[in-house]
Amino acid sequence: GDSVTQMEGPVTLSEEAFLTINCTYTATGYPSLFWYVQYPGEGLQLLLKATKADDKGSNKGFEATYRKETTSFHLEKGSVQVSDSAVYFCALSGLEQAGTALIFGKGTTLSVSS
Amino acid sequence: GAVVSQHPSWVICKSGTSVKIECRSLDFQATTMFWYRQFPKQSLMLMATSNEGSKATYEQGVEKDKFLINHASLTLSTLTVTSAHPEDSSFYICSASASRGLAGVPVSYNEQFFGPGTRLTVL
Repeated sequence: GDSVTQMEGPVTLSEEAFLTINCTYTATGYPSLFWYVQYPGEGLQLLLKATKADDKGSNKGFEATYRKETTSFHLEKGSVQVSDSAVYFCALSGLEQAGTALIFGKGTTLSVSS
Repeated sequence: GAVVSQHPSWVICKSGTSVKIECRSLDFQATTMFWYRQFPKQSLMLMATSNEGSKATYEQGVEKDKFLINHASLTLSTLTVTSAHPEDSSFYICSASASRGLAGVPVSYNEQFFGPGTRLTVL
């Protein structure tokens, strides 16, 4: 079945450091890919998404490119801030339609210190 | 737009009691809602998929008699944890897929919108 694998955390960085969180997936067909962020004690918020190969999702300085050849969707940010400290989840949806459940990776905790 | 609320945000109950959690889409209609469970420092586990007007589809290993799901309208789904025990303590999160925006609110139809979660503690 479909699955998502993301790098183990926690990731600890200093402010303004470069961030990469790796995510790879296994899926049949052409899934949509997502990154969600969860701040402490809160629900999930969509950070960015890509629906087809070579698409780049971006938001709040974060970027991820849908790479079909490497089945990857790595999250990057050039300069992290303390406020970026959160848990990041990579996810996929097998079908581009409403009513399809998401498959999540295990999450990667990011801790940024000043 | 595309706001999902959950109520209550946290609840503490005694072992053996039942707890109902509501999930509402505030500005869109959601034919499908999903219920997830999240253990501390772990990922979200899909418990069930709830479709308006029909029985929920439960994931393998989830007891349907223990976790009752009702999706009575296009904007409301409820999860009832029956005869709760300490091992049911968890963070429960719902999400909804939009089928129609309300009051002219544009929504994305291939995106899930998540509620803020409900922290359940069973003593």
